[in-house]
Order: sequence, then C-alpha cells, then structure tokens
Amino acid sequence: SQQGEEDPQALSIQEGENATMNCSYKTSINNLQWYRQNSGRGLVHLILIRSNEREKHSGRLRVTLDTSKKSSSLLITASRAADTASYFCATVLSGNTPLVFGKGTRLSVIA
Amino acid sequence: EAGVAQSPRYKIIEKRQSVAFWCNPISGHATLYWYQQILGQGPKLLIQFQNNGVVDDSQLPKDRFSAERLKGVDSTLKIQPAKLEDSAVYLCASSSLGAVESIQYFGAGTRLSVL
Repeated sequence: SQQGEEDPQALSIQEGENATMNCSYKTSINNLQWYRQNSGRGLVHLILIRSNEREKHSGRLRVTLDTSKKSSSLLITASRAADTASYFCATVLSGNTPLVFGKGTRLSVIA
Repeated sequence: EAGVAQSPRYKIIEKRQSVAFWCNPISGHATLYWYQQILGQGPKLLIQFQNNGVVDDSQLPKDRFSAERLKGVDSTLKIQPAKLEDSAVYLCASSSLGAVESIQYFGAGTRLSVL
C-alpha cells in the first residue's frame, strides 16, 4: 500500500506564482524525499529531508517536515513553465529500503 | 556519469504473450529496484536486488513475473503471461550500497500496453 498521500492531486498556477504541495504519511520514517516526473520520463530526485530536520532549501525549493503530524510540504517559488510535472513524496523507513511513493501532485504552470 | 538505461522504451503485446524488459544501472550501484507505475499513481516496488541477491520481492506477482540480476549488474524483468492489468510503466532505479540516505536514480522506463 502507498505510504504517502499528496494534496492536492492537481494544481494549476500562473508562471511566477508559488506552488505548494503537501504530503502526509502513516508510519515513522528515516527520511522523506521529493521526486519530479516529467510526462513520459523517469523520476528525478529533488530533495531529501531527514526525520530530525524541520526545513530544507535547494534553489527555488523549500521543504518542511513535521514528524508530529506526519506531514511534509514542498514549496516551489517563482514557478516556471518548465516546472510543469508530477511531484511525488516518498518515504524511507530505514537503511537502504525501497521508497514508498504517494500518488503525486500534477502541477501545471501556465506561461 | 551515464544514467540508468532501460529498453525498450515502448512495448505493445497481446494478453497471454510474454515480454521482457532490460535495465543497466549506474556503474558501481549495488542496489537495483524495479517499480511498476500504473497511470495516475505513484511507482510501486516490485523487487529489490542487492548485488545479485533478492532483498525484497514481496509485491512481485510471482505466478507471472520474474526478475534476475546475473553478475550483479544488468537486470531483466519478465512477464509471462501478460494480463490487461499489467499495462503500466516499468521503472528501473539504482542506488549505492550502504548509504542510509540512499538516493535512487531512475531510468526513463518502459511503457507496456497489453491489448
């Protein structure tokens, strides 16, 4: 079964606006990762946040993690048309274990 | 460095036929994963290899799916016989061994359509 649940399922914004996606999960984790998938392509790793971290930045990306609420959010600032993709959160329970993905958020950035 | 290579990119078969997918992971990556991604959903793990041994195949439908990773490098995933519900994208990923915070690198996937 899928661990994470992204919200919203779909999001449409104008170029230059910020996009926020949320992820909730069910069990304790070692870390949480966000991946991007462009249409017809494989997934690309964006950012990893450890269970003892609360916030992390990478370029225009900002990720937060609230382990008490078992939730994470991904913020993309100043969005671009090239950010149009599906975004997935994936949890890692421990060690070199497989990623457990949610269903993803489909982001459309309109130029 | 070269990424994860998968072939073919697309495959169309009729139900009850057989099909095989191939994956070449990033050089030096000991861990290899096969995921199934049904349209509109996130990837679901089918099998995980560490070198040439199976670590987790709990979600692999073993009556029709099989996978191997000979010599701990390339891997093949086979479906025999295929069903309509096997239509999906099959993704291969690899990661380096030993890292607690292992990042997985994905191939472009093989899109399978079963008619």
